[in-house]
Amino acid sequence: KNEVEQSPQNLTAQEGEFITINCSYSVGISALHWLQQHPGGGIVSLFMLSSGKKKHGRLIATINIQEKHSSLHITASHPRDSAVYICAVEGYTDKLIFGTGTRLQVFP
Amino acid sequence: DVKVTQSSRYLVKRTGEKVFLECVQDMDHENMFWYRQDPGLGLRLIYFSYDVKMKEKGDIPEGYSVSREKKERFSLILESASTNQTSMYLCASSHGTYNEQFFGPGTRLTVL
Repeated sequence: KNEVEQSPQNLTAQEGEFITINCSYSVGISALHWLQQHPGGGIVSLFMLSSGKKKHGRLIATINIQEKHSSLHITASHPRDSAVYICAVEGYTDKLIFGTGTRLQVFP
Repeated sequence: DVKVTQSSRYLVKRTGEKVFLECVQDMDHENMFWYRQDPGLGLRLIYFSYDVKMKEKGDIPEGYSVSREKKERFSLILESASTNQTSMYLCASSHGTYNEQFFGPGTRLTVL
């Protein structure tokens, strides 16, 4: 069993829909990261959080430490949100453990 | 803005060749990382470095070595490339402990 599990693996949506991507982990962590990877490879950090909730524009990330679960929400989705979203957890070193990603496609 | 650059976006090599992948960051970060990314497996850590001339093995170091002679540069070396090393290679850097990692654009390596 992977230490970081994401669901769903693939997601399609119509423009404007509310999107949720889930991440569950089985190890103790100091922080959880959400990353975005567009076609072509480059990865951008969206959020780093260790408790509660963070918001940036139309993106919201939440984490429940007791349940070892995090969600990434996208409100009013847009085709430019189409990307792979990756959850990664950080233990008590600087090393990240990555999920396998959720591929999101938003159609106009 | 932090910038992490990698020497090539695409690289094609032959089995048995020695391959050098270079990564440079411009923000004086202490930590640098090399990952490979394969479909269905996500990113996996090959090697990382906390400081100049220091290196530590990640989860899949076999067949790879690294060099960090200067703080801003971290090189990944495939001593004798094999077809199972065909992959996307991503470099990242971070400052201190428990901080976000900044990624380079990736190098897609094909070994024939």
